[in-house]
Amino acid sequence: KNQVEQSPQSLIILEGKNCTLQCNYTVSPFSNLRWYKQDTGRGPVSLTIMTFSENTKSNGRYTATLDADTKQSSLHITASQLSDSASYICVVSLGPKGNKLSFGAGTTVTVRA
Amino acid sequence: DTEVTQTPKHLVMGMTNKKSLKCEQHMGHRAMYWYKQKAKKPPELMFVYSYEKLSINESVPSRFSPECPNSSLLNLHLHALQPEDSALYLCASSQLPGNNYEQYFGPGTRLTVT
Repeated sequence: KNQVEQSPQSLIILEGKNCTLQCNYTVSPFSNLRWYKQDTGRGPVSLTIMTFSENTKSNGRYTATLDADTKQSSLHITASQLSDSASYICVVSLGPKGNKLSFGAGTTVTVRA
Repeated sequence: DTEVTQTPKHLVMGMTNKKSLKCEQHMGHRAMYWYKQKAKKPPELMFVYSYEKLSINESVPSRFSPECPNSSLLNLHLHALQPEDSALYLCASSQLPGNNYEQYFGPGTRLTVT
């Protein structure tokens, strides 16, 4: 069973609208949580990285939240643009001594004009 | 320079061919990674190099052979691949080994095995 679950699997939104993506994880011990944006056929690009002590972090129109108690994170996209169409991947890293990351399956966002 | 570069962008090879994928970074990072990503799936870790030494091999078949000639370069040598090996191969690097460090990904090499 995947230790990082994302929802929804995909969504379609109109340009200019907001949306929120969810990530639930069971990874333990937890080191940090990252959100990546991946355009089709390209490598993932980091949006945010949060440790367990951080509740929220913003990167432009992207705002990530983290609740380490409930093991939930969300990524909010404000005033969506056509260029936001991509797959958004939640990645949780295990305890600091490891090198392995647990990847969610991603949420595919399609922004339409 | 905060970029990880990968060549080639696309590669088509037969099952009897030998080819190599290349990855380069000039950020002074001492950890480098190879991932394999199938369509609509998350990346799967294949290998990790720490300080130019192989530290993790995720039970990858021997037809994939990694090499780290120096701290800036990472190669993946391919031989006798199968059609199911067709995928996007991603290289990444981080400042140091360990999960506290951000991983920077390259654009990937799209591999098709015929």
